[in-house]
Amino acid sequence: AQTVTQSQPEMSVQEAETVTLSCTYDTSESDYYLFWYKQPPSRQMILVIRQEAYKQQNATENRFSVNFQKAAKSFSLKISDSQLGDAAMYFCAYRGYGNKLVFGAGTILRVKS
Amino acid sequence: DVKVTQSSRYLVKRTGEKVFLECVQDMDHENMFWYRQDPGLGLRLIYFSYDVKMKEKGDIPEGYSVSREKKERFSLILESASTNQTSMYLCASGRTGGITGELFFGEGSRLTVL
Repeated sequence: AQTVTQSQPEMSVQEAETVTLSCTYDTSESDYYLFWYKQPPSRQMILVIRQEAYKQQNATENRFSVNFQKAAKSFSLKISDSQLGDAAMYFCAYRGYGNKLVFGAGTILRVKS
Repeated sequence: DVKVTQSSRYLVKRTGEKVFLECVQDMDHENMFWYRQDPGLGLRLIYFSYDVKMKEKGDIPEGYSVSREKKERFSLILESASTNQTSMYLCASGRTGGITGELFFGEGSRLTVL
């Protein structure tokens, strides 16, 4: 069975600075998707960024980028120029041959002004 | 925009009561999911459905059942609620395979069992 591990329960970042959230996963599948989801306080979970495992190039979405290391099974999220609105719980997730997402435990990101 | 709607944001029930959590999606997605979210444990899959009247157990199905009579609606049922089922419940939907593999989530239903 696939597992996803987020080793940082909480992180803090100063507004306008950069922060990296860590994620590792375990799988024997060769083709899969990886995701970072954001869950703001009392609000809906939304997709931040996705990465297809067959793509070597790291995904980027505006201020959000990933460092995907397939051999190491590592998938970290970098948030540049952090904003107050980035404060949320962030979940790393894996989707393989089945249609279900497997989630990590989450990382609470606090943004200080 | 995809919309996943959960019928109740907050519920308070008593031990032993039967509880229904309803979820409706408007994008004709084949797959629907019920997750449970607890602090420090992330999201854990309870049940999912890949077609009408089809269901499969997830990682923590004990104490729960589901119903999918129509493609757009997926219900989670707690036959006899217990205090250890106090949690946040999230419904999600998505296409089979699909280009993005993305799931779309509802706002969640926070259930308290007294």
